[in-house]
Amino acid sequence: EIVLTQSPGTLSLSPGDRATLSCRASQRISSSYLAWYQQKPGQAPRLLIFDASSRATGIPDRFSGSGSGTDFTLTISRLEPEDFAVYYCQHFATSPWTFGQGTKVEIK
Amino acid sequence: EVQLVESGGGLVQPGGSLRLSCAASGFTFSTYSMNWVRQAPGKGLEWLSYITRSSATITYSDSAKGRFTISRDNDKNSLYLQLNSLRDDDTAVYYCARGPMPGRFVFDPWGQGTLVTVSS
Repeated sequence: EIVLTQSPGTLSLSPGDRATLSCRASQRISSSYLAWYQQKPGQAPRLLIFDASSRATGIPDRFSGSGSGTDFTLTISRLEPEDFAVYYCQHFATSPWTFGQGTKVEIK
Repeated sequence: EVQLVESGGGLVQPGGSLRLSCAASGFTFSTYSMNWVRQAPGKGLEWLSYITRSSATITYSDSAKGRFTISRDNDKNSLYLQLNSLRDDDTAVYYCARGPMPGRFVFDPWGQGTLVTVSS
């Protein structure tokens, strides 16, 4: 089973700050198999990024994804009030399709 | 509008059973693979099961294997998850999610979820 480890667990930032979230895989995975989701309290997850770096439809360009191999990053260039949420990475390399444990981006 | 709506959750005693449903609309359900994912209170996301368009391929996580059964009815645009031998740690919000498809490895969209509470 591929384990995805996200860091940090919590990121305390202010609106306008840059957020950098990490997702590290326990073994190499193709970039095609790495996605990021955003989840707000009481809501279902929403797709942000697929193929490690492609934004989903309707996702603002302040969200960007990068990385390859075992290290992937989600960057939010300038945090807006609506971006404070929990973010999850997920892989599709092999079954089970696991998620990282999540990074909470909270208002400082 | 593409939409997934789960139902069937509720309070059930340990050892009991429940059948969850996911009604799909706004897209051709029979052409997409589907999944169930759960989230325990205050915890992260856990993928449970996957079923292909024609139900030819079904996979389960270790935690779902042997107790949960995924199925679908393409004529009714519906996905199901039969939960048996429920335990306290099965308490969670259960989501259905569409995907993945060739060239697009994602779960998108997700339903709003249905809460299953296992308690005596």
